[in-house]
Amino acid sequence: DTGVSQNPRHKITKRGQNVTFRCDPISEHNRLYWYRQTLGQGPEFLTYFQNEAQLEKSRLLSDRFSAERPKGSFSTLEIQRTEQGDSAMYLCASSLSDRSVYTFGSGTRLTVV
Amino acid sequence: EDKVVQSPLSLVVHEGDTVTLNCSYEVTNFRSLLWYKQEKKAPTFLFMLTSSGIEKKSGRLSSILDKKELFSILNITATQTGDSAVYLCAAPYNNNDMRFGAGTRLTVKP
Repeated sequence: DTGVSQNPRHKITKRGQNVTFRCDPISEHNRLYWYRQTLGQGPEFLTYFQNEAQLEKSRLLSDRFSAERPKGSFSTLEIQRTEQGDSAMYLCASSLSDRSVYTFGSGTRLTVV
Repeated sequence: EDKVVQSPLSLVVHEGDTVTLNCSYEVTNFRSLLWYKQEKKAPTFLFMLTSSGIEKKSGRLSSILDKKELFSILNITATQTGDSAVYLCAAPYNNNDMRFGAGTRLTVKP
């Protein structure tokens, strides 16, 4: 499967714990995006990378959130001291350029209890 | 503020019906408008529209863009239960990311 891969598919965590998600984009795509989607809403932009450089972060991305793409390939999104409001689907997408169609992964569903 | 607004938010039809989904947008430096279908998880790409008045078709689905009135429609003819999904409309802005609408949840009953 050469699509965008996200792990884990589901994560249940207790409030206050840290969680980390992984995204493996399509190999030749140099752009990688993280989105968050809550029930009944469209995906909301969190951050994006061009190769290993994180070029933009949304206001939605509080200090508890950090994303990395150390070698310009896979990316990780970490949420520290999780809160119940962090419960959502976290989607990763990749594209060849800023004018290309995004290909999405299946997402990681986070539930904070 | 840049925004993408979809209507209706939900729609229930019977198999064989034709549906029209709406998307209006206000995006600085508009380049394109995209439609995605989201069933359980990953949104999957349907259409990218850049020019007004040119209809894009894929089987029973078609879409058109009106850059003067700032909207797009997605038509599905002869709907099937497999068309049940959330349909998302999106437009890139700031050259960096995509702004999505809230989606239209389509339910097709047998």
